[in-house]
Amino acid sequence: GAVVSQHPSWVICKSGTSVKIECRSLDFQATTMFWYRQFPKQSLMLMATSNEGSKATYEQGVEKDKFLINHASLTLSTLTVTSAHPEDSSFYICSASGTYSGQGFNSPLHFGNGTRLTVT
Amino acid sequence: KQEVTQIPAALSVPEGENLVLNCSFTDSAIYNLQWFRQDPGKGLTSLLLIQSSQREQTSGRLNASLDKSSGRSTLYIAASQPGDSATYLCAVRPTTSGTYKYIFGTGTRLKVLA
Repeated sequence: GAVVSQHPSWVICKSGTSVKIECRSLDFQATTMFWYRQFPKQSLMLMATSNEGSKATYEQGVEKDKFLINHASLTLSTLTVTSAHPEDSSFYICSASGTYSGQGFNSPLHFGNGTRLTVT
Repeated sequence: KQEVTQIPAALSVPEGENLVLNCSFTDSAIYNLQWFRQDPGKGLTSLLLIQSSQREQTSGRLNASLDKSSGRSTLYIAASQPGDSATYLCAVRPTTSGTYKYIFGTGTRLKVLA
């Protein structure tokens, strides 16, 4: 159980275009989803936290107009990289925390398989 | 500000060895600590979650301990196998953040040699 599906797994786009990445919780309701960015051989950098039905909370230094996050339902969150540039090339990972087990703050975090974005 | 550190950054061991990965955190006000495994180019797989009131959790060959007062956790891997080769990350969920946010360590890259 507790599967998070992230799509696409990789994408190549031209500079100036926008790319949408989807994150779905397949068998539980994800009240909170997180979006991370990971550089080679580095740990995860939290970009934003999204709660279903409300605006995302962005971490300091993350441009909210560039990285648009929508969490319209309890099973889907999307990250749109707008007007992508080569410096946006990275590995993006989503994770979800749900209340399926009724554990509240002790609900474990489940991750998607990530999306490798390359902007040419 | 909560900071999470993992030592060593990289580790290479022969197959069959028992090994210990270390995680330390600066603020003991946490809900829980979770250990993850990440294979190259993949997302993270949850291994073990230890709640703040717990001392350890076990799953198969893995045992994770938590000493909240000293800000430390260890992940013990028994009888290591080449398939255990991956990056291991620990993360804590602070009580002070007001959200479900986790703070991640820098990871330990493990290589188990056949």
